[in-house]
Amino acid sequence: DGGITQSPKYLFRKEGQNVTLSCEQNLNHDAMYWYRQDPGQGLRLIYYSQIVNDFQKGDIAEGYSVSREKKESFPLTVTSAQKNPTAFYLCASRPGQTSYNEQFFGPGTRLTVL
Amino acid sequence: KQEVTQIPAALSVPEGENLVLNCSFTDSAIYNLQWFRQDPGKGLTSLLLIQSSQREQTSGRLNASLDKSSGRSTLYIAASQPGDSATYLCAVDNTDKLIFGTGTRLQVFP
Repeated sequence: DGGITQSPKYLFRKEGQNVTLSCEQNLNHDAMYWYRQDPGQGLRLIYYSQIVNDFQKGDIAEGYSVSREKKESFPLTVTSAQKNPTAFYLCASRPGQTSYNEQFFGPGTRLTVL
Repeated sequence: KQEVTQIPAALSVPEGENLVLNCSFTDSAIYNLQWFRQDPGKGLTSLLLIQSSQREQTSGRLNASLDKSSGRSTLYIAASQPGDSATYLCAVDNTDKLIFGTGTRLQVFP
């Protein structure tokens, strides 16, 4: 099955901990994205990568970090510097490096800070 | 700065009705506009992608239109069904990034 997988589905973090959310795609897409969704708000872009070993900050990158060592993987680390990390996190990918193709989304990870 | 607005925020209709969801954006210099569906607690499912040079796209009972000059898009759902109940999101792309609206929560009751 081709698609985007995110793990875990649910994640609980204690104050002061770093946690890493996994995103893997087997669609051979070049570009990958991380979004955050809060209740009643639209999705907001955290980081994106259009090519291996390169990534750019989105609108709300503070307190987050990413890596893109492989084309199929784009993990997101939520650091202790992120003051309000409880949210639903969505990973997406898109073929090519331009804006003419649609984005496809994974099933999401719900992160809760205890 | 691009802003995307969706009206109404929520909509409840009886089964069988034809309905229209609205999306407006402030910067008309877009590459494309995409409509998504999101079920509770789930990821987004892409419904339709309209390129900036296109006026509309159709998929089954769904038809999306785009008027760049006025900064508007509509999603038309024909003969609505209870299975259409979900949140519908529109997003515009004008800088290699998608900017999302806050969505319209649709409920179709039998």
